[in-house]
Amino acid sequence: GIQVEQSPPDLILQEGANSTLRCNFSDSVNNLQWFHQNPWGQLINLFYIPSGTKQNGRLSATTVATERYSLLYISSSQTTDSGVYFCAVRYGQNFVFGPGTRLSVLP
Amino acid sequence: KAGVTQTPRYLIKTRGQQVTLSCSPISGHRSVSWYQQTPGQGLQFLFEYFSETQRNKGNFPGRFSGRQFSNSRSEMNVSTLELGDSALYLCASSPAGDQPQHFGDGTRLSIL
Repeated sequence: GIQVEQSPPDLILQEGANSTLRCNFSDSVNNLQWFHQNPWGQLINLFYIPSGTKQNGRLSATTVATERYSLLYISSSQTTDSGVYFCAVRYGQNFVFGPGTRLSVLP
Repeated sequence: KAGVTQTPRYLIKTRGQQVTLSCSPISGHRSVSWYQQTPGQGLQFLFEYFSETQRNKGNFPGRFSGRQFSNSRSEMNVSTLELGDSALYLCASSPAGDQPQHFGDGTRLSIL
């Protein structure tokens, strides 16, 4: 099956800092999504991005499908950005999640 | 447009019991998928239903089952509960399989 890796596993930032989260996958995928899981367990859609670049406010994402990776950029981080960030890929009929990056933004 | 609704939000059961969780997808969405999230295993795919048919199944024992109704609402059942079944169970819906998934708030199941 496919392997989905995320780095770094943990990240601590001061409010206002920028960060880049990475998602690597071991095979071609049909699509890719980024999610933010807040401290209450809610999974929030950030991006549906099988390829290319998208931006939404302070967040942007880039997927290079041919090289099997995706990047999530967070600029001017806020304490409300804290939580776990997951990438997930559609591989055949399966939807496979990475292990996540735990982000803590300190005031 | 209402989001994905999961009920109940919290549930406490004892070993050996069975449980049924419910998921109402976003209106117009025909695909419903279920996931289990535990600290040790992360987020794992359970199964996906599309138009009342199970389209795909993850690597879980037969104690985990589900169904989908004609209005796309889905239920997940776990029989003979074990301590290891304690988890957050998440449901997601999409218009069809290969489109963005939208998640509900989950059901947190605790087994005593």
